[in-house]
Amino acid sequence: QKEVEQDPGPLSVPEGAIVSLNCTYSNSAFQYFMWYRQYSRKGPELLMYTYSSGNKEDGRFTAQVDKSSKYISLFIRDSQPSDSATYLCAMRLNSGGGADGLTFGKGTHLIIQP
Amino acid sequence: GAVVSQHPSRVICKSGTSVKIECRSLDFQATTMFWYRQFPKKSLMLMATSNEGSKATYEQGVEKDKFLINHASLTLSTLTVTSAHPEDSSFYICSAAWTSGQYFGPGTRLTVL
Repeated sequence: QKEVEQDPGPLSVPEGAIVSLNCTYSNSAFQYFMWYRQYSRKGPELLMYTYSSGNKEDGRFTAQVDKSSKYISLFIRDSQPSDSATYLCAMRLNSGGGADGLTFGKGTHLIIQP
Repeated sequence: GAVVSQHPSRVICKSGTSVKIECRSLDFQATTMFWYRQFPKKSLMLMATSNEGSKATYEQGVEKDKFLINHASLTLSTLTVTSAHPEDSSFYICSAAWTSGQYFGPGTRLTVL
């Protein structure tokens, strides 16, 4: 069993729809959770960074963490064609100063249809 | 804030040569930087953790003599792929740790002929 599971898609939705992306993980030692957006042949761009269970909202994006279920989600409201990209979940252990590398999911390829 | 740059963005080299990739944090100091590799349609895999002023820590299966890492200052880490072979062709991405997460560079696409 891989440490982080993420459906690679592709996930295709119409413009304006609410998008739900999620990851599950097996290592309960993961404490920090991130969502990145990656366009083709580019480096990942940090979208959301969370620590505790619960919801965190930033503009059209909402990140949700459920540590008891080892399940994280990213919701995108009012999706736009420019949101079309690969979305990667990532997580790391809880060591001081952020000195741990990230463990990534495979990434979900999202397509927003105009 | 939290901008990370990489140079070069793309490099093509002959088999057997060495290639150096630079990673810089432009507007913050990064005690710790990370090097990842990404194959087509695959996720990012952590190769090594680069610590300023000390030896890098390599992930299992990554050859430290092949992938030389130097973190000489708080804003610069370099990855040198020594004696490159076609199987080393990949997308190499660095990141730097900051208070609110890890920030990635734009990546370097290495093609070994």
